Amino acid sequence: RKEVEQDPGPFNVPEGATVAFNCTYSNSASQSFFWYRQDCRKEPKLLMSVYSSGNEDGRFTAQLNRASQYISLLIRDSKLSDSATYLCVVDYDKIIFGKGTRLHILP
Amino acid sequence: ETGVTQSPTHLIKTRGQQVTLRCSSQSGHNTVSWYQQALGQGPQFIFQYYREEENGRGNFPPRFSGLQFPNYSSELNVNALELDDSALYLCASSLAWGGDEQFFGPGTRLTVL
Repeated sequence: RKEVEQDPGPFNVPEGATVAFNCTYSNSASQSFFWYRQDCRKEPKLLMSVYSSGNEDGRFTAQLNRASQYISLLIRDSKLSDSATYLCVVDYDKIIFGKGTRLHILP
Repeated sequence: ETGVTQSPTHLIKTRGQQVTLRCSSQSGHNTVSWYQQALGQGPQFIFQYYREEENGRGNFPPRFSGLQFPNYSSELNVNALELDDSALYLCASSLAWGGDEQFFGPGTRLTVL
């Protein structure tokens, strides 16, 4: 099993739709969890940290399920500017990035 | 506040050569991590430096080595370059190791011919 696995993409969704990304991790000792966003030919940037209680930032909601070793990201009312690759990141004694899921928002 | 910078932007080398990539961390950050990102893949963790000492390493051979300097800037050295080393090399700095947001530089695109 890969250390961090994400939904294979790309996701092509119409503007205004809700889209959900899933991510699973193999190491139960993992302590910190993040979602990063990477635009084409740019560096990754932190979108949000993921807490056990779940957290929300505007249109974005992140959830963590430690028992199932699963992280999710929900984007509501998607905008054209949300088009990017979304990277799931897990941190224990080293930092592991998923392969990323590419999202295309269609006008 | 100055962000993370990397040099050079692009580099072309041939198999067997050695390369040094440089990174200046964001002001106030004492931790630097290096990543290799192949096309279509997520960044792969190479290693991390905290206050000039290696603080964690990914699954990369010993020909990948690094340094961190007293001002927290860092170098990544790769010896005996192979074709598969062609990738984007990203440096990220953070306030501390373990669970902190990482701020990435724009990367160095290395091509090995």
